[in-house]
Amino acid sequence: GNSVTQMEGPVTLSEEAFLTINCTYTATGYPSLFWYVQYPGEGLQLLLKATKADDKGSNKGFEATYRKETTSFHLEKGSVQVSDSAVYFCALVANTGGFKTIFGAGTRLFVKA
Amino acid sequence: EPEVTQTPSHQVTQMGQEVILRCVPISNHLYFYWYRQILGQKVEFLVSFYNNEISEKSEIFDDQFSVERPDGSNFTLKIRSTKLEDSAMYFCASSVSGQQETQYFGPGTRLLVL
Repeated sequence: GNSVTQMEGPVTLSEEAFLTINCTYTATGYPSLFWYVQYPGEGLQLLLKATKADDKGSNKGFEATYRKETTSFHLEKGSVQVSDSAVYFCALVANTGGFKTIFGAGTRLFVKA
Repeated sequence: EPEVTQTPSHQVTQMGQEVILRCVPISNHLYFYWYRQILGQKVEFLVSFYNNEISEKSEIFDDQFSVERPDGSNFTLKIRSTKLEDSAMYFCASSVSGQQETQYFGPGTRLLVL
């Protein structure tokens, strides 16, 4: 079945450090891939997406590239801020009807000043 | 910017009671979803809904769950007889025709069953 695996957290970084959160997926066909962010006490916010191979999604300094050959969609940011502290979820939607989103377990990021 | 809204933000109920969780999707969206997140666990799909019918449901979505679009703006999840294990954060989401895969989530309702 379809699934998403992302690196376990928590990840603790100092402000201005480089961030990578690894995400790999298993899916039939060509899924759409997403990163969602959940700030403390809030709901899920769409951060970025990519719908086909080699697409790069980007938003608020975050980027992720859809790599079909490695079935990966790693999240990166060049310089994190304290305000980026949150839980990040990698997710996929398999375009086989129904459009249910399948989420990874989430990775908690702490950024220290 | 349009948002999905959910009410209530928190609900405490006794085991065996019925609860109704409410959602107002984004106004031009036609596809609606419910997900839940048990504390410390993954976000799990419950059900998708389009054109007044369930499109897909998970094995979690058993006979105690139902969904309804009672009017042109609300989308509800009813749990008929709550169990302790129904305690979770419930998220509503919606998406627009042509981009169904891109779902916008509400802030969630935290349900506690005692």
